[in-house]
Amino acid sequence: DIVMTQSPDSLAVSLGERATINCKSSQSVLYSSNNKNYLAWYQHKPGQPPKLLIYWASTRQSGVPDRFSGSASGTDFTLTISSLQAEDVAVYYCHQYYKTPWTFGQGTKVEIK
Amino acid sequence: QVQLMQSGAEVRKPGSSVKVSCKISGDTFRNYIVSWVRQAPGQGLEWVGGIIPVLGTTDNTQKFQGKVTITTDESTNTAYMELSSLGRDDTAVYYCTISTQLQDEIREYWGQGTLVTVSS
Repeated sequence: DIVMTQSPDSLAVSLGERATINCKSSQSVLYSSNNKNYLAWYQHKPGQPPKLLIYWASTRQSGVPDRFSGSASGTDFTLTISSLQAEDVAVYYCHQYYKTPWTFGQGTKVEIK
Repeated sequence: QVQLMQSGAEVRKPGSSVKVSCKISGDTFRNYIVSWVRQAPGQGLEWVGGIIPVLGTTDNTQKFQGKVTITTDESTNTAYMELSSLGRDDTAVYYCTISTQLQDEIREYWGQGTLVTVSS
């Protein structure tokens, strides 16, 4: 199975400041035929289903604010919230859909400092 | 507008089974991959398994081999996840989710979640 490891487990950021979450996959999730990383980011708030923010490692889902961005370098992936808003308080998960069993990172809890 | 509506909360005894349903409106399952994801109390997200309805193929995490059965019923536009030999560690919120790819765009929808509580 592909293991997804996120860091940190939690972080507290002041409103308007940048939040950065890292995710590392235990093997490549890059599909060579289309040069796409099969890596997504989700936001999960209590009592709600997870919300897809980013797919193909860096493509923002329709309707997601542009303060959310994703990047990739090999097996290292990053989710950046450029200017944290109060409504961004949530747990964030990276997720690989390259190979079954699909797997998630352990989650990163983002709070307001 | 595509929506997924899951069945209500369930309470089961250890060793029993549970079947959770997920009804799609606004489209048909044939156009999607159907997956089930769960979140146990205080834990993260865990992929349980999935089905490609148009192919009839299913897949799941090894820990759920022989324990989970995922099906779809085209006549009612409903997907099902049946979990057997329930243990207390199967207590979780179970989500159904569907996803499809249109050229390079991924479209994904989630149900509201179903709480399954395993307790004697």
